[in-house]
Amino acid sequence: KAGVTQTPRYLIKTRGQQVTLSCSPISGHRSVSWYQQTPGQGLQFLFEYFSETQRNKGNFPGRFSGRQFSNSRSEMNVSTLELGDSALYLCASSREQGARSNEQFFGPGTRLTVL
Amino acid sequence: AQKVTQAQTEISVVEKEDVTLDCVYETRDTTYYLFWYKQPPSGELVFLIRRNSFDEQNEISGRYSWNFQKSTSSFNFTITASQVVDSAVYFCALSEALEDTGRRALTFGSGTRLQVQP
Repeated sequence: KAGVTQTPRYLIKTRGQQVTLSCSPISGHRSVSWYQQTPGQGLQFLFEYFSETQRNKGNFPGRFSGRQFSNSRSEMNVSTLELGDSALYLCASSREQGARSNEQFFGPGTRLTVL
Repeated sequence: AQKVTQAQTEISVVEKEDVTLDCVYETRDTTYYLFWYKQPPSGELVFLIRRNSFDEQNEISGRYSWNFQKSTSSFNFTITASQVVDSAVYFCALSEALEDTGRRALTFGSGTRLQVQP
């Protein structure tokens, strides 16, 4: 069974630009969550999608958005990039919604560098 | 607010030593879930264990064992006879309830970097 895949793996952008990251969950998983990992703030929850609807949202500005498609693939978008957005963006999928009981399977991440 | 503390930033041991990674959590929930993840240099988080708040039984999986104590709000992770391949960053995480939707998201600790020297 293929794991969670994320594309691209590495990305370099400049301030003010926008970026779209993609995540394909494990087959049969309907929930996709996004996390941001930085040296200073650690791992922080961005949002979760389930059945094409955003179900949870972390404490991030509106520049961070996402969506989920009918095949459960998800994209996240960051507009007007800032230097502080440089991070490893991790996507995780689980069979059901929420992290209450189901373990989340993580992808390898997309490392975004903002210059 | 829910919180996870991993006080050990970095631990270095020599191969075959036992090592314990500490995790202390805070939550007002009576039902919650605790997790441990391993993050090797490749960056992908690897699930190790999930434990719910009603099950305080310790668990052993090969060289890995976990000690969950609600009385001290701790969920510690021990690696017995460590190996070089155990070198990674280990994260403890708590599944919390979100106030507005009642849904749950993972709150991670800051991680402990384990270096196992040959």
